[in-house]
Amino acid sequence: SYVLTQPPSVSVAPGETARITCGGNNLGSKSVHWYQQRPGQAPVLVIYYNRDRPSGIPERFSGSNSGNTATLTISWVEAGDEADYYCHVWDSTNHHQVFGGGTKLTVL
Amino acid sequence: QVQLVESGGGVVQPGRSLRLSCAASGFTFSSYGMHWVRQAPGKGLEWVAVISYDGSNKYYADSVKGRFTISRDNFKNTLYLQMTSLRAEDTAVYYCAKVGCSSPNCHFDFWGQGTQVTVSS
Repeated sequence: SYVLTQPPSVSVAPGETARITCGGNNLGSKSVHWYQQRPGQAPVLVIYYNRDRPSGIPERFSGSNSGNTATLTISWVEAGDEADYYCHVWDSTNHHQVFGGGTKLTVL
Repeated sequence: QVQLVESGGGVVQPGRSLRLSCAASGFTFSSYGMHWVRQAPGKGLEWVAVISYDGSNKYYADSVKGRFTISRDNFKNTLYLQMTSLRAEDTAVYYCAKVGCSSPNCHFDFWGQGTQVTVSS
């Protein structure tokens, strides 16, 4: 089965840029989606189809996907961005959905 | 606006059954595939099952296949998850999620608030 690998944690100071990676075999050939989950809350979609932003998501959130790595970039990080972030793809070999293990973003 | 409200969670003994429901509103329920995703305490998201817009196609995670059944009632705008032979490792918050398009590699654009399932003797 397909595996997505994320770093357990990323820390940045306010105003800096956070980059959260998601690794997988030939991931660039797949469509990657990203979710933000604040403590005690349901996940919220922040990026879909690698780089598209849903309405209401700030332009500070952007995404890219190439080779074996997809990246969620959060510019001008704010305290309110502190959350867990998950990448997500569809595994066409078995019609399963796959999530990365999640990355906890800490704003210092 | 889109609303997904899960219900049916609770504390259940190992080996018993439970049925979760997800009441949908604010969109044309019968036009969208729906998923169940769970999250064990302190752990990440785990996909559980999907059902197509008309109920004709269903897929399950290996961890629940043969024990869980996903279904939907497009007249009642409700998604279900029938869980049998429950195990301690099924303990989690269960979320229903709506897909944002019609392709299988689609994102989940809306999520419910989740319902807690605890399997314990």
